[in-house]
Amino acid sequence: EAGVTQFPSHSVIEKGQTVTLRCDPISGHDNLYWYRRVMGKEIKFLLHFVKESKQDESGMPNNRFLAERTGGTYSTLKVQPAELEDSGVYFCASSFGLAGGTDTQYFGPGTRLTVL
Amino acid sequence: RKEVEQDPGPFNVPEGATVAFNCTYSNSASQSFFWYRQDCRKEPKLLMSVYSSGNEDGRFTAQLNRASQYISLLIRDSKLSDSATYLCVVYHSSYKLIFGSGTRLLVRP
Repeated sequence: EAGVTQFPSHSVIEKGQTVTLRCDPISGHDNLYWYRRVMGKEIKFLLHFVKESKQDESGMPNNRFLAERTGGTYSTLKVQPAELEDSGVYFCASSFGLAGGTDTQYFGPGTRLTVL
Repeated sequence: RKEVEQDPGPFNVPEGATVAFNCTYSNSASQSFFWYRQDCRKEPKLLMSVYSSGNEDGRFTAQLNRASQYISLLIRDSKLSDSATYLCVVYHSSYKLIFGSGTRLLVRP
């Protein structure tokens, strides 16, 4: 079974440019999450989709970040315009959505974003 | 104060050693607890869930103390392949995972 895939694996852009990250969850997983790890910090939650609906976007840093999941399949995370502090590794995860804390989130390999 | 606190290490141990990692969490309403393993420049992978009764998976033993809000991971008979960063992760009711910053383990020959 294919795991969570993310594209691109690396992206180097200049401040002010736009970047779009893509995540394809495990087939059959309705729940999709975005997380981010910036240099020297812990991995932090950004947002959570159930199918195409945003359930929780409390971790989104600001309105320069826009996440979508049209059709409830793959998701995109757009950063526009990118700032230096956006550099980091962006992880996507997916899960079935079992209740009660028994749900396992499977992570993709991440997209390493560098903003110059 | 961070929600999940871990000693960053690194813990540098010889093969065959026993090593223990600790983690504390601040939110007493936390429901579930996990240890994830992350290799260099790779994604986090679930190592094991942590239950109040304690649980064991081969050479790995995890313990949870809800009263002290403390989680531990014990690795016995360390292998070179155990070298990685171990992430203490706490789950709230909102499905989001709260990560510690990780403890780095280096197992030397």
